[in-house]
Amino acid sequence: GIQVEQSPPDLILQEGANSTLRCNFSDSVNNLQWFHQNPWGQLINLFYIPSGTKQNGRLSATTVATERYSLLYISSSQTTDSGVYFCAVGTGGNQFYFGTGTSLTVIP
Amino acid sequence: DVKVTQSSRYLVKRTGEKVFLECVQDMDHENMFWYRQDPGLGLRLIYFSYDVKMKEKGDIPEGYSVSREKKERFSLILESASTNQTSMYLCASSPATGLGTGELFFGEGSRLTVL
Repeated sequence: GIQVEQSPPDLILQEGANSTLRCNFSDSVNNLQWFHQNPWGQLINLFYIPSGTKQNGRLSATTVATERYSLLYISSSQTTDSGVYFCAVGTGGNQFYFGTGTSLTVIP
Repeated sequence: DVKVTQSSRYLVKRTGEKVFLECVQDMDHENMFWYRQDPGLGLRLIYFSYDVKMKEKGDIPEGYSVSREKKERFSLILESASTNQTSMYLCASSPATGLGTGELFFGEGSRLTVL
């Protein structure tokens, strides 16, 4: 199956800082999502972004499908942004492939 | 909003017990999935279903079975629980589209401990 790599694996930020999380994938995709896993374990949808750019408040995402990567930007980070961020891709079948996540810690 | 509901947030079972994890979605999605999540291993697909009574094995189906008798409900069954099945179990659903699957939505997760 398709390989999905996320970087960095761990990130520690001071509150108010900006960050960029990256997701690389090894083949063409027609489905890409970013999730935030909260401290209770639930995966919350952030963006459904197989291509292009989207913004939602302090978060934005860009997917360049032809170059096989996606970026998640977090601006003015807050302690509530802490958690694990996952990228998941789909290739046209019924399965999704997940990266191993970026663990973000925002300290006050 | 799409809602995916898992029946239990936390369960503690004994080795050898039969365990049922239930998942219900309210958006008429065709596709439903069961994943398990373990530290250092990420999310791994156990089974998925693309229609009522249809199922396909994922990456780690051993020791598990599933049931989908109604479109909205997808159950994961551990026939004889073992300690190595202690994990976080995540149910998800997505609509079918002309290109495969649409946006994926997760339930809150069920944390199972097998003693």
